[in-house]
Amino acid sequence: GENVEQHPSTLSVQEGDSAVIKCTYSDSASNYFPWYKQELGKRPQLIIDIRSNVGEKKDQRIAVTLNKTAKHFSLHITETQPEDSAVYFCAVHRYSSASKIIFGSGTRLSIRP
Amino acid sequence: DTAVSQTPKYLVTQMGNDKSIKCEQNLGHDTMYWYKQDSKKFLKIMFSYNNKELIINETVPNRFSPKSPDKAHLNLHINSLELGDSAVYFCASSMDRFQETQYFGPGTRLLVL
Repeated sequence: GENVEQHPSTLSVQEGDSAVIKCTYSDSASNYFPWYKQELGKRPQLIIDIRSNVGEKKDQRIAVTLNKTAKHFSLHITETQPEDSAVYFCAVHRYSSASKIIFGSGTRLSIRP
Repeated sequence: DTAVSQTPKYLVTQMGNDKSIKCEQNLGHDTMYWYKQDSKKFLKIMFSYNNKELIINETVPNRFSPKSPDKAHLNLHINSLELGDSAVYFCASSMDRFQETQYFGPGTRLLVL
């Protein structure tokens, strides 16, 4: 079955600096790669996603890059702010009738003032 | 105007008891899910229903029994609760069985004493 590895498990960056979180996956047929943000005590919420026919997608300070050949994708947050502190989950999905989303193990991002 | 709601928000109970968690979505989605998030924040799918039909059933003990009376509701009944069942249980929904964006409920924090 699909295996998703996420690194690092914790990340602390200075406010204003950039943060990068990486995920690798095993199933080359996977074709949808979302990222979820979970603030303390809250529900996970989708922040950005990318499909396998795209190499990069950007939304303001957040970007995701995908390398299908190497089977890895990354979340980039620039100009980090205190409200970016949260746990971030990558996920992998293969578009088929009974597939399921597999989540990475999460990265706890802390922004230092 | 809550999209995905769960009750109760907190549940503290003794080992051996039976308890239920209810979930409702008003998004008009066809597919609903139950996820378990343990103390290490791992987010793992347990069940998925599409239009009241079970489509994903992960290796979950038989003590867990989901029920979907209609496509807007998915309940989770747990028999003979064990200490290891302590976790946050998230309900989620997606537009259809091909998944993609998951809309999570606020979570039910279950503590088994």
